[in-house]
Amino acid sequence: QQPVQSPQAVILREGEDAVINCSSSKALYSVHWYRQKHGEAPVFLMILLKGGEQKGHEKISASFNEKKQQSSLYLTASQLSYSGTYFCGTQRYNTDKLIFGTGTRLQVFP
Amino acid sequence: DAGITQSPRHKVTETGTPVTLRCHQTENHRYMYWYRQDPGHGLRLIHYSYGVKDTDKGEVSDGYSVSRSKTEDFLLTLESATSSQTSVYFCAISFGGLNYGYTFGSGTRLTVV
Repeated sequence: QQPVQSPQAVILREGEDAVINCSSSKALYSVHWYRQKHGEAPVFLMILLKGGEQKGHEKISASFNEKKQQSSLYLTASQLSYSGTYFCGTQRYNTDKLIFGTGTRLQVFP
Repeated sequence: DAGITQSPRHKVTETGTPVTLRCHQTENHRYMYWYRQDPGHGLRLIHYSYGVKDTDKGEVSDGYSVSRSKTEDFLLTLESATSSQTSVYFCAISFGGLNYGYTFGSGTRLTVV
């Protein structure tokens, strides 16, 4: 079952912040985040493994609440280059595969 | 070098014909995956492999088969193509373990007419 991402779409001005959420009904071992630009392949951003873990990548960070099976991606002071579709991928215990959400389309305007 | 290549990049085929897509990697990664991407559905897992001749089904495996006879190659076959299999197909590779993400190929755009 695919994880649920929210919101489905976000429109921002440069410098604004955004949060993208990913929620699963199943117990999770890890959560991945990817960004895909139009016409290109998804690109790996980060992986989160532990409950409450946070990671950062430039001005993009994420958290993972293992008990709630939820992860959030935080984009601060957004740049034009942040535009794209963001996907979370969830991995359950004792599996070797990622199940992706349906994506959140982020558009950043000048 | 990209490390992972998909071929062909584009293909148009007729309903009922078999089609094989190829994923080739030079990274010696153990895990390989086939996903399809459709509007509104995100990326959906078709099949994956965790070693030579070791494969397993994903969420949308009906109508597809895979083979992996060498570490570097993972083939996806549409046994009898249907219009519902018109999609963009992505291959991904992973070293495996706790801290490794997936690297995706550039995708194959398949149109079944």
